[in-house]
Amino acid sequence: AQTVTQSQPEMSVQEAETVTLSCTYDTSESDYYLFWYKQPPSRQMILVIRQEAYKQQNATENRFSVNFQKAAKSFSLKISDSQLGDAAMYFCAYRAFQGAQKLVFGQGTRLTINP
Amino acid sequence: DTGVSQDPRHKITKRGQNVTFRCDPISEHNRLYWYRQTLGQGPEFLTYFQNEAQLEKSRLLSDRFSAERPKGSFSTLEIQRTEQGDSAMYLCASSSTLGVSNRVYEQYFGPGTRLTVT
Repeated sequence: AQTVTQSQPEMSVQEAETVTLSCTYDTSESDYYLFWYKQPPSRQMILVIRQEAYKQQNATENRFSVNFQKAAKSFSLKISDSQLGDAAMYFCAYRAFQGAQKLVFGQGTRLTINP
Repeated sequence: DTGVSQDPRHKITKRGQNVTFRCDPISEHNRLYWYRQTLGQGPEFLTYFQNEAQLEKSRLLSDRFSAERPKGSFSTLEIQRTEQGDSAMYLCASSSTLGVSNRVYEQYFGPGTRLTVT
């Protein structure tokens, strides 16, 4: 079974600085997707960024970028120019290409932004 | 389109009672997922529907849990004889595999129903 591990329960960063959240996963599949989701205190899960495993180029979305290392099964999220609105729980998630395509989530990292 | 909606947002019930939650997916989304999230943890998959067919159920979904999606539109999740361990946030998500050129089939989440069993 696939597993996702986030080893940082909490992280904090000064406003306008850069922070990196770590994620590792385990799978025997070669084709899959990886996601970072944000869950603000209101608790609605929002997709931040996604990466398709067959693409070597790291995904970027404005201030958010990933470092995808397929061989190492590592998928970290970098947030540049951190803003107060970035404060939330961040979840790394894996999804197989075939089948139910259910999301397998990590335990989450709580990100605090210090003004 | 207002996104995925869930009702109620909060439910407090006594142990042993039955509860039912409703999820309205984004219109025209053919897939609907239920996840459970306990405090401080990531969501865990419970079950999913493609149209009205329930195609997969997690081992987390005991016999006390049942889900339906009549006519492939809204879905309900019922928990019978609730236990304190059922206290959690129940999240619904929907996605579409129809007319989508890429393979991503992004899942959109609702706000969740927080269940507290006393």
